[in-house]
Amino acid sequence: EDQVTQSPEALRLQEGESSSLNCSYTVSGLRGLFWYRQDPGKGPEFLFTLYSAGEEKEKERLKATLTKKESFLHITAPKPEDSATYLCAVQAGREYGNKLVFGAGTILRVKS
Amino acid sequence: GAGVSQTPSNKVTEKGKYVELRCDPISGHTALYWYRQSLGQGPEFLIYFQGTGAADDSGLPNDRFFAVRPEGSVSTLKIQRTERGDSAVYLCASSLRLSSTDTQYFGPGTRLTVL
Repeated sequence: EDQVTQSPEALRLQEGESSSLNCSYTVSGLRGLFWYRQDPGKGPEFLFTLYSAGEEKEKERLKATLTKKESFLHITAPKPEDSATYLCAVQAGREYGNKLVFGAGTILRVKS
Repeated sequence: GAGVSQTPSNKVTEKGKYVELRCDPISGHTALYWYRQSLGQGPEFLIYFQGTGAADDSGLPNDRFFAVRPEGSVSTLKIQRTERGDSAVYLCASSLRLSSTDTQYFGPGTRLTVL
């Protein structure tokens, strides 16, 4: 059974304190790995898609990387407005079609 | 441009009642998805449509849940004989087409509470 596990469950950072969130996955035939941001009471907001091991993508203070077993979301010099839940999801195998399988998320709090 | 919209934003109902949740996808998007998110969890897949037909409904938990998309745009998720365990946020997403790794854009969700 395909699984996506995110760690830590929650992370508290001081403003400017860089860190990384982890997403490990066990799937058959990865077709894409997605990162979303979710603010309280809102739907997930798309951040990145990674397709193959070694790929990296950046957006402002965020950088996502992918290996054959996990993905990292690196946050450089975070600001309070980066506080949110970060969700990782995979799309895998023909039998699963286009559905996304999500992890439980990492709740990030950045204090000023 | 307008994103995915969902109505109502909140729905409170009593156990045993019937509810309908509506999703308006992004204009021009042919694929539409429904997910359910419980507190502290990631979204869980329910069903997706390509055009008017359900391409995969393997995530629907039981036959009390049903979804339609009669004209290939707006979709309605229908839940019969609601149970307290159905309480969750129901999310809708759409993508341009039903192809590999097409980005799914989510709406704000409908928070369903079954008393």
